[in-house]
Amino acid sequence: GQNIDQPTEMTATEGAIVQINCTYQTSGFNGLFWYQQHAGEAPTFLSYNVLDGLEEKGRFSSFLSRSKGYSYLLLKELQMKDSASYLCAVKDSNYQLIWGAGTKLIIKP
Amino acid sequence: GAVVSQHPSWVICKSGTSVKIECRSLDFQATTMFWYRQFPKQSLMLMATSNEGSKATYEQGVEKDKFLINHASLTLSTLTVTSAHPEDSSFYICSASPGGEAGANVLTFGAGSRLTVL
Repeated sequence: GQNIDQPTEMTATEGAIVQINCTYQTSGFNGLFWYQQHAGEAPTFLSYNVLDGLEEKGRFSSFLSRSKGYSYLLLKELQMKDSASYLCAVKDSNYQLIWGAGTKLIIKP
Repeated sequence: GAVVSQHPSWVICKSGTSVKIECRSLDFQATTMFWYRQFPKQSLMLMATSNEGSKATYEQGVEKDKFLINHASLTLSTLTVTSAHPEDSSFYICSASPGGEAGANVLTFGAGSRLTVL
């Protein structure tokens, strides 16, 4: 079966750095996405990786290793507004998006 | 950027009634839109893929007669929850992709519709 694993919850301190991991086992691979979702709101797009390596976008970076079925989202200079759930999703061989359960990130002052 | 509008954002209805949720792509045409359901503290669950001008493709376990999807134009898809019951209470979210080279990998979500069935 297809599976996306990410930690359920993480806690970090304002101003610090946090890394949210995502491992996947899917039938084929056509890209990996990270979305941010604040409570009660729809997800918003953060990043897309299809090739191995690190994609940097401001305070957020996303890394992909296809051979390891692994990605991480790195958040720097954490702000209180970064408290949200972070969803990892993989597009499989049929271009269907398979979603992880999300990681709830709690930022403490 | 691509914008998807979803309406209503919040609805309360009595058990047994039907509720219609609209999803519009405001500045692009979407031949395909997706409908998701999300229960508290859980991830998105794809319910169906809405195809303009043809029948929707439902995921396994989703009742097509209960969740009616109509994709009448390239900018509008509707989800009707028929004869709603309390267990249908959930957060329903639609999404669409602008397509093309630039937009194919960017899925834009509507703001979501929170349905509460009493």
